[in-house]
Amino acid sequence: GAGVSQTPSNKVTEKGKYVELRCDPISGHTALYWYRQSLGQGPEFLIYFQGTGAADDSGLPNDRFFAVRPEGSVSTLKIQRTERGDSAVYLCASSLTGSYNEQFFGPGTRLTVL
Amino acid sequence: GDSVTQMEGPVTLSEEAFLTINCTYTATGYPSLFWYVQYPGEGLQLLLKATKADDKGSNKGFEATYRKETTSFHLEKGSVQVSDSAVYFCALFNDYKLSFGAGTTVTVRA
Repeated sequence: GAGVSQTPSNKVTEKGKYVELRCDPISGHTALYWYRQSLGQGPEFLIYFQGTGAADDSGLPNDRFFAVRPEGSVSTLKIQRTERGDSAVYLCASSLTGSYNEQFFGPGTRLTVL
Repeated sequence: GDSVTQMEGPVTLSEEAFLTINCTYTATGYPSLFWYVQYPGEGLQLLLKATKADDKGSNKGFEATYRKETTSFHLEKGSVQVSDSAVYFCALFNDYKLSFGAGTTVTVRA
């Protein structure tokens, strides 16, 4: 079985542009998470999906960030009007359910905003 | 809110040395505690876990005990190998999400 996959692995964009980051969770996992990891720091929670709905989006830093999971599987993290401070590695994780279960992490997308 | 504080690195050791990485946490309720590891060029992997007070998690020679009285979950290994060189993250699970420490870079020299 495949693990969590994320595309692209690297994304370089210019300040002010729009980007989309994709996550394919492990098949059958109902819970999906996005985290952001800045250089030299641990991952920070952004948003948690249970099925198709965002159960907790309290970690999204502002309204330029948005995420969807329309069919309860693949998720897309969308960032509008990117800023240099958005540069980080964006990690996706999935787990069998949202209650205590091991979260399996993808390799991440490294976003660089010039 | 929930938070995790772990020993700052980097840590450099010789092979077969004893490794300890300190981790303390602040959380409401009864979180589960984890150590994740990130090997060079790879993604985050779960190393070990403990779900309640006094539980001991262990894997690959690493151990950590959930100490509620000291709100700690220190990671230990008695004899490290070069292959243990990695970044280690302490984390807690509460309210359906993980909160991570800043990570400790460990380098083991042959």
